[in-house]
Amino acid sequence: GQNIDQPTEMTATEGAIVQINCTYQTSGFNGLFWYQQHAGEAPTFLSYNVLDGLEEKGRFSSFLSRSKGYSYLLLKELQMKDSASYLCASMDSNYQLIWGAGTKLIIKP
Amino acid sequence: GAVVSQHPSRVICKSGTSVKIECRSLDFQATTMFWYRQFPKQSLMLMATSNEGSKATYEQGVEKDKFLINHASLTLSTLTVTSAHPEDSSFYICSARGASDTEAFFGQGTRLTVV
Repeated sequence: GQNIDQPTEMTATEGAIVQINCTYQTSGFNGLFWYQQHAGEAPTFLSYNVLDGLEEKGRFSSFLSRSKGYSYLLLKELQMKDSASYLCASMDSNYQLIWGAGTKLIIKP
Repeated sequence: GAVVSQHPSRVICKSGTSVKIECRSLDFQATTMFWYRQFPKQSLMLMATSNEGSKATYEQGVEKDKFLINHASLTLSTLTVTSAHPEDSSFYICSARGASDTEAFFGQGTRLTVV
């Protein structure tokens, strides 16, 4: 079956670090995406992992463990503009994306 | 990244009328286009996938006669919501992918309000 789970909402403080977890069950797994979506806007691409390990891009890092069906998005030095929904999506062997429901991240001063 | 342009960004229409939404890939050839619908506080729901020159593949529960998708060229796909009703009010988003790409690039989205 195909399934994606991520927390519904998280709260963090400006300047801190937050980790958003995502677990997946995907037939023919072909990679894991993270997108950021501000309210009323389309998603914007953050990262793509297909191999195990951590990939860092500035303040954002993404980790994948294929054996565990697990990924996380790590956001450092949080800024108020990071308040958004973060969508986890896995890709199957047909290059179709299976979307999580999104994690709403609230940043407090 | 590649650019996908979606138009219009907002549209208000009367119940019973039809609305066309365009999705264009500006700097690459989009062999595959995806159309999503997103209701408030919910994730993206895939409506259909279309490959250039082929009929779209609709997800279960999506009425193909109501949501007409045309992907006649490698740079343009259209979604027409026919006989729109208030329950069709939603945020519609397209994404496009080239033949050699893994990542799909999103359009800006269209906020449809049916009154």
